[in-house]
Amino acid sequence: QVQLVQSGAEVKKPGASVKVSCKASGYTFTRNYLHWFRQAPGQGPEWMGVINPTDGTTTSAQRFQGRVTMTRDTSTSTVYMELNSLRSDDTAVYYCTRVSSAWFFDYWGQGTLITVSS
Amino acid sequence: DIVLTQSPGTLSLSPGERATLSCRASQSVGSNYLAWYQQKSGQAPRLLIYGASSRATGIPDRFSGSGSGTDFTLTISSLEPKDFAVYFCQQYDSSPFTFGPGTKVDIK
Repeated sequence: QVQLVQSGAEVKKPGASVKVSCKASGYTFTRNYLHWFRQAPGQGPEWMGVINPTDGTTTSAQRFQGRVTMTRDTSTSTVYMELNSLRSDDTAVYYCTRVSSAWFFDYWGQGTLITVSS
Repeated sequence: DIVLTQSPGTLSLSPGERATLSCRASQSVGSNYLAWYQQKSGQAPRLLIYGASSRATGIPDRFSGSGSGTDFTLTISSLEPKDFAVYFCQQYDSSPFTFGPGTKVDIK
């Protein structure tokens, strides 16, 4: 069965960086794009960007451009999302999610809580 | 960007009642690329409906979606205790892929 398993919760100080991993299993890793969303408390998820696992090409949301880096490791079927220059309003749960062949997001990771606090 | 607005913000109902949730888009959602999710506290969103009206795998038929263009509806025909949660609509027609603010369905 398809699974996306993310790395654990982290606490970071303002100005630091964080790297979240998302390990895919149960399907052919290179067949489906993987996206990242984040969700602040009490809000709907917010789209951050997408990576093509086949060639590593990425597109990020305008508000995160220059601050987010998405990469992948095909040998371990893992994608990574690194966010730099963290601020307190980056405190959120970060999710990876897979795009189905019909373009909707069908499987989600369990989420990774990132807390930014001095 | 396509902005999604959901109403009501909170819906207070009893088990067995019918729930009707609304999602309105700021511009037409092409190909009806509109999904509905259920989310419970501390959990990831769970896909219920895609393509505005198709149920995802394993979703019971008391959940149904309808609508097109800018107006969409999620209906839960008879609420079960496990259905009390927050529901989000999301468009996947165009980047950035946006979610609505959610409707909380709680027990009256």
